[in-house]
Amino acid sequence: NAGVMQNPRHLVRRRGQEARLRCSPMKGHSHVYWYRQLPEEGLKFMVYLQKENIIDESGMPKERFSAEFPKEGPSILRIQQVVRGDSAAYFCATFGDTNYGYTFGSGTRLTVV
Amino acid sequence: GENVEQHPSTLSVQEGDSAVIKCTYSDSASNYFPWYKQELGKRPQLIIDIRSNVGEKKDQRIAVTLNKTAKHFSLHITETQPEDSAVYFCAAIDATSGTYKYIFGTGTRLKVLA
Repeated sequence: NAGVMQNPRHLVRRRGQEARLRCSPMKGHSHVYWYRQLPEEGLKFMVYLQKENIIDESGMPKERFSAEFPKEGPSILRIQQVVRGDSAAYFCATFGDTNYGYTFGSGTRLTVV
Repeated sequence: GENVEQHPSTLSVQEGDSAVIKCTYSDSASNYFPWYKQELGKRPQLIIDIRSNVGEKKDQRIAVTLNKTAKHFSLHITETQPEDSAVYFCAAIDATSGTYKYIFGTGTRLKVLA
């Protein structure tokens, strides 16, 4: 589904660097959800944003992590001073074309070396 | 808040046999239950969903059943094929809450043996 675009697909960062992950939902969709998937684990909710507003950030670590969804441009998940434990796949999602089903982006696989 | 448990964590079946994956949820307000399939290295994709006003839904070889009283729902795959091998996730939400924040189960790795 080309509707939800994430980039980059793969990102390698050294410990202490910053990672920026981008998500562009389908045109006209103003809700974005970010999920983290650790290797061999499930999908954990991080944050829910609408345009220019954070609605629910209950799943996001209090330190080093931030998210935004500006009026213009993609949603950004920012991880400062990355550590090895941040290595994971990060997916964003928005509502799909049917009912309440999510459509996921292709994900960004972050590797911290 | 909602908590979703999923069993089993791994499941191996012979090609042609059936597979059943079960989930239980805690929040009685939950009223929408989707199932996602995730192939290795790919994004999760919605395969079937059910709302709380029905007890069963079918789509070709897959079906989902819901027991609201017991707060559990199940995914049934019949006549399994090798391409059904993937990780399957269930989820539960209160679609009337306005947030649509999914709480996912921990996943079931299904292997279909040829």
